[in-house]
Amino acid sequence: IVMTQSPDSLAVSLGERATINCKSSQSLLYSSNNNNYLAWYQQKPGQPPKLLIYWASTRDSGVPDRFSGSGSGSDFTLTISSLQAEDVAVYYCQQYYTNFRRTFGQGTKVELK
Amino acid sequence: EVQLLESGGDLVQPGGSLRLSCAASGFTFSTYAMSWVRQAPGKGLEWVSTISGSGGNTFYAESVEGRFTISRDNSKNTLYLQMNSLRVEDTAVYYCANSYSSSWYEFWGQGTLVTVSS
Repeated sequence: IVMTQSPDSLAVSLGERATINCKSSQSLLYSSNNNNYLAWYQQKPGQPPKLLIYWASTRDSGVPDRFSGSGSGSDFTLTISSLQAEDVAVYYCQQYYTNFRRTFGQGTKVELK
Repeated sequence: EVQLLESGGDLVQPGGSLRLSCAASGFTFSTYAMSWVRQAPGKGLEWVSTISGSGGNTFYAESVEGRFTISRDNSKNTLYLQMNSLRVEDTAVYYCANSYSSSWYEFWGQGTLVTVSS
């Protein structure tokens, strides 16, 4: 499964909304449980990735509620409702639909305008 | 507190070998699948390999199949990656990460740098 993110980078002012898109080459929706097998990660410079969202829209523990995930099937979105300085990072989507064989999007760099 | 600590990264010549380790603590190691994910300098994340909690099932990316071997010692809470026939394009930071069954990566280590160069 190929994961494609857009845009590759975006510059957003403090307090403004940031929207990142992720498209998969096949549906990530598992019909038997109606779950989308998609996660989002945040990676700050010099740090490992950190889990933000799983099941496409469930925030991990401790993740601020300004982060939200949406979408279903093959099209997904990560939204940062009000960008803070500490949100400057690269964001990756990842599918876990294929058993143990995960693939990531190429990443989207979020910078301050 | 979950901790994953990678070690073993080094500078190695093309064609050489290296073994990475990942020491885990803070969770029931044997109930989690463990994976290696790498990141070449300035690039994105690439899944490398995964091993099931029991160690009975292993999975590899095409780019490393036949050259890398993933293993684990549940008595020592440690994950390994044996890397043979290393290529320049294997240069990357290698992260270990855990996942409950075939799901998302819950925690990541800090990574260990492997440089393949003559």
